[in-house]
Amino acid sequence: GAVVSQHPSWVICKSGTSVKIECRSLDFQATTMFWYRQFPKQSLMLMATSNEGSKATYEQGVEKDKFLINHASLTLSTLTVTSAHPEDSSFYICSAREKTGSHLEEYFGPGTRLTVT
Amino acid sequence: GENVEQHPSTLSVQEGDSAVIKCTYSDSASNYFPWYKQELGKGPQLIIDIRSNVGEKKDQRIAVTLNKTAKHFSLHITETQPEDSAVYFCAAGEGYNFNKFYFGSGTKLNVKP
Repeated sequence: GAVVSQHPSWVICKSGTSVKIECRSLDFQATTMFWYRQFPKQSLMLMATSNEGSKATYEQGVEKDKFLINHASLTLSTLTVTSAHPEDSSFYICSAREKTGSHLEEYFGPGTRLTVT
Repeated sequence: GENVEQHPSTLSVQEGDSAVIKCTYSDSASNYFPWYKQELGKGPQLIIDIRSNVGEKKDQRIAVTLNKTAKHFSLHITETQPEDSAVYFCAAGEGYNFNKFYFGSGTKLNVKP
């Protein structure tokens, strides 16, 4: 299957600072990527759909000015958590879909653990 | 929108036994049903999927069944091994576009040696 990488795997930052997380599709081009957030022992919560060359589509309740998404190339999407606060601490996971025949399969990155102190 | 329910939330089995996890969905437009395995501290890994034009798919010890009429699908793991211990998520959505997938709440599987 396709490979999606994330960097960094974990990050600790101070309250009020911004953090950028990168998501890359390593062996395929991804015009669309997805950003999820996962709290401990909970399911995946879709935050936004990242579209190459255009604005991201945010899910209801997700602040677009706080979670900035940039999808500047076919293999890279970035999520920037601006003015981070302790409540932003979470596990952030990106994904991308690869076309298999006429269908799309979704592959996830390894996730980024963000801790805001 | 779509609503995916997953049961049980936790499942404990003895090594070698079978494990079954069930999901139901509400939107008849959903035509793609993947299953993901997530180990602690890692991202979900696609382990098997099924599309609405088939009723069953098998890959070694893992199988998935789909009942479109009843709107439910199940993951079956036979001859379980301790390394199968993880959280499993089902999902439902449209497999031909980039619309969102809807995830179940997850099942924590514990395989006791």
